[in-house]
Amino acid sequence: DQQVKQNSPSLSVQEGRISILNCDYTNSMFDYFLWYKKYPAEGPTFLISISSIKDKNEDGRFTVFLNKSAKHLSLHIVPSQPGDSAVYFCAASAHNNDMRFGAGTRLTVKP
Amino acid sequence: DTGVSQDPRHKITKRGQNVTFRCDPISEHNRLYWYRQTLGQGPEFLTYFQNEAQLEKSRLLSDRFSAERPKGSFSTLEIQRTEQGDSAMYLCASSLEDHQQNTGELFFGEGSRLTVL
Repeated sequence: DQQVKQNSPSLSVQEGRISILNCDYTNSMFDYFLWYKKYPAEGPTFLISISSIKDKNEDGRFTVFLNKSAKHLSLHIVPSQPGDSAVYFCAASAHNNDMRFGAGTRLTVKP
Repeated sequence: DTGVSQDPRHKITKRGQNVTFRCDPISEHNRLYWYRQTLGQGPEFLTYFQNEAQLEKSRLLSDRFSAERPKGSFSTLEIQRTEQGDSAMYLCASSLEDHQQNTGELFFGEGSRLTVL
């Protein structure tokens, strides 16, 4: 059951420009949303999160936006850097129970 | 603390054999999760523990899969009678369940890659 969907398997962006990664979900019970970043041969690492009571959370170059009515969230990275090249997973959980992940989007930032 | 560690990192086995993976979580974390990840997919939830209690196991893929966390510290994931379709990366993660300040963040290990021939 694909409750969390990332419809873009890949994204290529020029260094210095904005990267926008999108995520849709179907379960209205989700109340916490996270983005994880994964490099090859490593486990996913936490990047940024947002509670359902908010619509925006910012941490340095990373901002997550949540649109509950559309069941959509996005991650903005600006300015993008080559070191940001990785696979980004969107994740969601309901009432602090098991976390569900999207299939990931591979971001490539070109110098 | 060195983070979440998993052992072995790689396991190659023949179909029909049993395999066991071990996960050592971050020491103060009371929650431990097992996920499976196949190529091109995100982590797929299997089961999780709070301390030694297994709170969710209905998503284990079949009755060939079982997990334990006997003392609320390390955990093992066993797959009996392995099949080729079990080939995947098995990820362990831990977190601190704190009702007041829980961020929901999971800390992942590097995974155990299983290849079933």
